[in-house]
Amino acid sequence: SQTIHQWPATLVQPVGSPLSLECTVEGTSNPNLYWYRQAAGRGLQLLFYSVGIGQISSEVPQNLSASRPQDRQFILSSKKLLLSDSGFYLCAWRPGWVGAGYTFGSGTRLTVV
Amino acid sequence: KNEVEQSPQNLTAQEGEFITINCSYSVGISALHWLQQHPGGGIVSLFMLSSGKKKHGRLIATINIQEKHSSLHITASHPRDSAVYICAASKTSYDKVIFGPGTSLSVIP
Repeated sequence: SQTIHQWPATLVQPVGSPLSLECTVEGTSNPNLYWYRQAAGRGLQLLFYSVGIGQISSEVPQNLSASRPQDRQFILSSKKLLLSDSGFYLCAWRPGWVGAGYTFGSGTRLTVV
Repeated sequence: KNEVEQSPQNLTAQEGEFITINCSYSVGISALHWLQQHPGGGIVSLFMLSSGKKKHGRLIATINIQEKHSSLHITASHPRDSAVYICAASKTSYDKVIFGPGTSLSVIP
């Protein structure tokens, strides 16, 4: 069966430090991968999505970047965190065929101090 | 106007009550999702539906494509149902999910 792993679950980082959040999917190949963010008191917002290795589309200009070095690995990064980067980050995947449902990771709670 | 809206924003119910959360959307969709987010933040996918009705335990989700409306019902509510329930739409034109603002449910013993 397919599973999605996201880590770490919680993270406290100082302003200006780098960030790396990792998401991996098991049990499938060539998934579509997504990073979402939920700022405090707000709904989830799409940050990046990828339909294949090395293919990254950005939805919102920001201090973050994403990479897909392997088929089932999606990484969210920042060179220098800002206070405004605090929030709940959620990874998700879905098969590439039309109409397929999404599966969400358990999320990472990031606090920038 | 948000593409996906939910009502009510907050809901408090007594244990055992029948609960309904509503979702309306203004975009063409390929599927409608209902998600549950607990206080710790983790999100669980409850339903994905594109037509009709689905049931899982005490949870029932319905969707009316013509009216662009979906409902999540909880029968015999329990305090462990307390969570934020999020409606999300997969758009037909784009391969992305648009999330609603969420409904915060609190079930009191």
